[in-house]
Amino acid sequence: SAVISQKPSRDICQRGTSLTIQCQVDSQVTMMFWYRQQPGQSLTLIATANQGSEATYESGFVIDKFPISRPNLTFSTLTVSNMSPEDSSIYLCSVEETGADTQYFGPGTRLTVL
Amino acid sequence: AQTVTQSQPEMSVQEAETVTLSCTYDTSENNYYLFWYKQPPSRQMILVIRQEAYKQQNATENRFSVNFQKAAKSFSLKISDSQLGDTAMYFCAFMKGAQKLVFGQGTRLTINP
Repeated sequence: SAVISQKPSRDICQRGTSLTIQCQVDSQVTMMFWYRQQPGQSLTLIATANQGSEATYESGFVIDKFPISRPNLTFSTLTVSNMSPEDSSIYLCSVEETGADTQYFGPGTRLTVL
Repeated sequence: AQTVTQSQPEMSVQEAETVTLSCTYDTSENNYYLFWYKQPPSRQMILVIRQEAYKQQNATENRFSVNFQKAAKSFSLKISDSQLGDTAMYFCAFMKGAQKLVFGQGTRLTINP
């Protein structure tokens, strides 16, 4: 399976600021996804990152709050904008190699907003 | 919409015992995939096992096996000869095609020495 890295691994941010999380894969993948895991909760999909087009957002998530870029087949970023303490979560990217029908996850980014 | 339910919030067993984690799901689809992921304290989501719904044979990966009952929409995970390193949160997940994973709420499994 692909090797996936995320930066930063953790961060503590102030209310009202923004943080950009990077996801890098060691091979070209068609599908990349961003998930949020709030404290003590399960994972919820934020959006699907499409290469060369706008991301597709799930209900309850909007582009102004979570802008996503996907400049090529190995890289994506998720920005958490105008943060509040409610944004404190683990953010995970996942990838699905073409035809694999299986998602593999990066190590996650633990975000704390004060 | 698909839903996934894990009815056991926490489980605890002794090392070397066998433990079974339960998962049920609801879908009107006929072709789909089911997964068990493990999340240790490091927070990395690790794929444990994968089942294709069109396959009747239950998937097996070393000490991990599933009991897939399609008609009952049940997908349990059995861990044999449990080890301390199996301590983690376990999430059951559903996926149709190249789409999002829908996760259950998780079961916290503790293996005691």
